[in-house]
Amino acid sequence: GAVVSQHPSRVICKSGTSVKIECRSLDFQATTMFWYRQFPKQSLMLMATSNEGSKATYEQGVEKDKFLINHASLTLSTLTVTSAHPEDSSFYICSARDPAGRGTEAFFGQGTRLTVV
Amino acid sequence: SQKIEQNSEALNIQEGKTATLTCNYTNYSPAYLQWYRQDPGRGPVFLLLIRENEKEKRKERLKVTFDTTLKQSLFHITASQPADSATYLCALSGGATNKLIFGTGTLLAVQP
Repeated sequence: GAVVSQHPSRVICKSGTSVKIECRSLDFQATTMFWYRQFPKQSLMLMATSNEGSKATYEQGVEKDKFLINHASLTLSTLTVTSAHPEDSSFYICSARDPAGRGTEAFFGQGTRLTVV
Repeated sequence: SQKIEQNSEALNIQEGKTATLTCNYTNYSPAYLQWYRQDPGRGPVFLLLIRENEKEKRKERLKVTFDTTLKQSLFHITASQPADSATYLCALSGGATNKLIFGTGTLLAVQP
């Protein structure tokens, strides 16, 4: 199956700093990628849809100025958590579908464990 | 609002038995329903996809049913093994966008 790589797998940062997470599709082109957040023992919550060459679409309640998404190429989307606070500590996961479409399986990155201290 | 609910409690079964997991949804008319497996600290891995016009899908020891009238999907693992222990997530997609929305997940523990 297709491979989605996410980096870093773990990051610890100080409160007030920004953290960038990368999501790459390694063997296919992804015009759309999805960013999820998962708190312990909870399910994946969709944060935003990343669109190559255009603005991301954010889910209700997700602050677009806090979670900056850039999808500059067909194989790379980045999520930047700006001015991070301890409540932003979570497991962030990206996904993409190959081929793109509603009826296809999604491939997920390994996830990024963010801890804000 | 849209809701996707799975067995809230962890499911404990004996090795060799069939595990049955439930996914119920409301305020949604999905065209596709998918099941994923997630191990601790990892991203989900795709297992099966079923379309709204399909009643049942099988893959090796896995079987999925999809009842759009009841708004429910059942996920079965036959001859379960301890290695099947994981969290299983159902996910829906359809409508105007291709977003994949996940259920609450069920933790399955298969005892040897």
